[in-house]
Amino acid sequence: GQNIDQPTEMTATEGAIVQINCTYQTSGFNGLFWYQQHAGEAPTFLSYNVLDGLEEKGRFSSFLSRSKGYSYLLLKELQMKDSASYLCAVSGDTGRRALTFGSGTRLQVQP
Amino acid sequence: GAGVSQSPSNKVTEKGKDVELRCDPISGHTALYWYRQRLGQGLEFLIYFQGNSAPDKSGLPSDRFSAERTGESVSTLTIQRTQQEDSAVYLCASSIQGAQPQHFGDGTRLSIL
Repeated sequence: GQNIDQPTEMTATEGAIVQINCTYQTSGFNGLFWYQQHAGEAPTFLSYNVLDGLEEKGRFSSFLSRSKGYSYLLLKELQMKDSASYLCAVSGDTGRRALTFGSGTRLQVQP
Repeated sequence: GAGVSQSPSNKVTEKGKDVELRCDPISGHTALYWYRQRLGQGLEFLIYFQGNSAPDKSGLPSDRFSAERTGESVSTLTIQRTQQEDSAVYLCASSIQGAQPQHFGDGTRLSIL
């Protein structure tokens, strides 16, 4: 089966750094994705990891450890507009292209 | 625009009616996906199209749900005899064949009275 866990809610301060963790157990692995979703809007793609290590993209970085079934999304220099839900998703078996999503982490950035 | 387009954006209907939701993927994207998102929950996979065929329908929750795709473009998701538990946002995504990431439309918010 497929199981993805991430914290339900997090709160952080504007200008700070926040790390959102995700653990997964899937049959097969073809990559891990992070999406950002503002309330009432579509998810937008943030990052993709298929090999172990850190991928950096501006203020956002994502880390993957396949042996531990673990990823995190790191957001630096937080801005108020970063308040959103962050969705961790895994692409499992090669033949199954669909993503399995976690329930999302709702991040609230406070002044 | 160049993104995934879904219609209608909102649909309110009475229990027992049939509804049809439409998705226009990004031009050239041969893979198309339907997901459902209930309030406060994660995305739940429904069905995946590669071209006009659906190699993975494993997420369709019951035989009231069906989907088709024509011309390797537009897809419609049909829900027959709607139930209140069908109330959710239905999201469509597309991707380039054999590659990710998936790009999402804004969804159709379906409310069953």
